[in-house]
Amino acid sequence: GAVVSQHPSWVICKSGTSVKIECRSLDFQATTMFWYRQFPKQSLMLMATSNEGSKATYEQGVEKDKFLINHASLTLSTLTVTSAHPEDSSFYICSAREQGRHIQYFGAGTRLSVL
Amino acid sequence: GQQVMQIPQYQHVQEGEDFTTYCNSSTTLSNIQWYKQRPGGHPVFLIQLVKSGEVKKQKRLTFQFGEAKKNSSLHITATQTTDVGTYFCAGDNQGGKLIFGQGTELSVKP
Repeated sequence: GAVVSQHPSWVICKSGTSVKIECRSLDFQATTMFWYRQFPKQSLMLMATSNEGSKATYEQGVEKDKFLINHASLTLSTLTVTSAHPEDSSFYICSAREQGRHIQYFGAGTRLSVL
Repeated sequence: GQQVMQIPQYQHVQEGEDFTTYCNSSTTLSNIQWYKQRPGGHPVFLIQLVKSGEVKKQKRLTFQFGEAKKNSSLHITATQTTDVGTYFCAGDNQGGKLIFGQGTELSVKP
């Protein structure tokens, strides 16, 4: 199956710093990428949909200035958590989808801990 | 907004017993997908169901899509310890977004 690489897999940072997470589709072109957040023992909550070359579409309640998303190429999307605070600590997962297909392939996720 | 309800939240079974998880959408879906997430891992795609009434099998796993395309089920026959994890259904409403159910956490006692 298709491979999606997410980096870093784990990050600890101080409160107030910014953290960038990368999501890459390795063997296909991802016209659309999705960013999810997952709290322990809970389901995946969609944060935003990222289309290559255009602005991301954020879900209700997600601050676009807090979670900056860039999808500059067909194989790379980035999520930057700006001025991170302890409440931003979570498991962030990206997924990628090929044009015309419905299946989403997930990255391994990034565990963010903000001290 | 669209919701996908999944039950049960937890299921503890003895190895060899069967297991079923159910999903119900508030709206008609264009397709439904199932994912498995192992503890500490990320969701892994299992299958996609598209047609009304569709039934698909993968070894001991049987997936069904309801006639109205609003509900789905995953049944595992004779569970094994390797089946442990959380199973998520995710509905696609043609808007391109997946709406995930709450997941069913399966534990298997050897």
